[in-house]
Amino acid sequence: DAEITQSPRHKITETGRQVTLACHQTWNHNNMFWYRQDLGHGLRLIHYSYGVHDTNKGEVSDGYSVSRSNTEDLPLTLESAASSQTSVYFCASSRNSGPQADTQYFGPGTRLTVL
Amino acid sequence: QKEVEQNSGPLSVPEGAIASLNCTYSDRGSQSFFWYRQYSGKSPELIMFIYSNGDKEDGRFTAQLNKASQYVSLLIRDSQPSDSATYLCAVITSGTYKYIFGTGTRLKVLA
Repeated sequence: DAEITQSPRHKITETGRQVTLACHQTWNHNNMFWYRQDLGHGLRLIHYSYGVHDTNKGEVSDGYSVSRSNTEDLPLTLESAASSQTSVYFCASSRNSGPQADTQYFGPGTRLTVL
Repeated sequence: QKEVEQNSGPLSVPEGAIASLNCTYSDRGSQSFFWYRQYSGKSPELIMFIYSNGDKEDGRFTAQLNKASQYVSLLIRDSQPSDSATYLCAVITSGTYKYIFGTGTRLKVLA
């Protein structure tokens, strides 16, 4: 069955370290998204991609970067981890975008703790 | 004003009752609306989507959309303890076509 996976599921790192969170989907979806979820803020969009080599900033992109070299993967990199980036990170994908966009399907999440 | 607003709850209903969850949005041009359920520690999963004004039913769930008043609601009939979760409303904005999520309503179904 097609699916979307994230790794690692849990990560503890130190302030200032570079961290990369992996996201892999086997649906062949064009669109991929990274969100963070914090209490009181809900899901906030970090970066998104509408296809290979396409990347766009979301509402909370500072300190994060992504690159899309193939359809299946959209890794999220924290260039220099900060305690404010402690959160649960979700990757999602959808087939298309537009005013009547397809459903987004979510990965299982990565819990990141920055000490 | 937040783009998508939900009452955070918790909304408590007895088992077997109808749970009514509401969501308002600010972008009048939005055309796609989604309801997700999220259990504690898990990822959001789609319950249903709605594009047109009116009601859409799927089993025990009914989504209601009123574009003139800019609200979308989710009714859960015959609520079960297993329905206890946080329900997220998501709206596709016009122009950028991005998903905007509300902060969610926590539902507690009391046995």
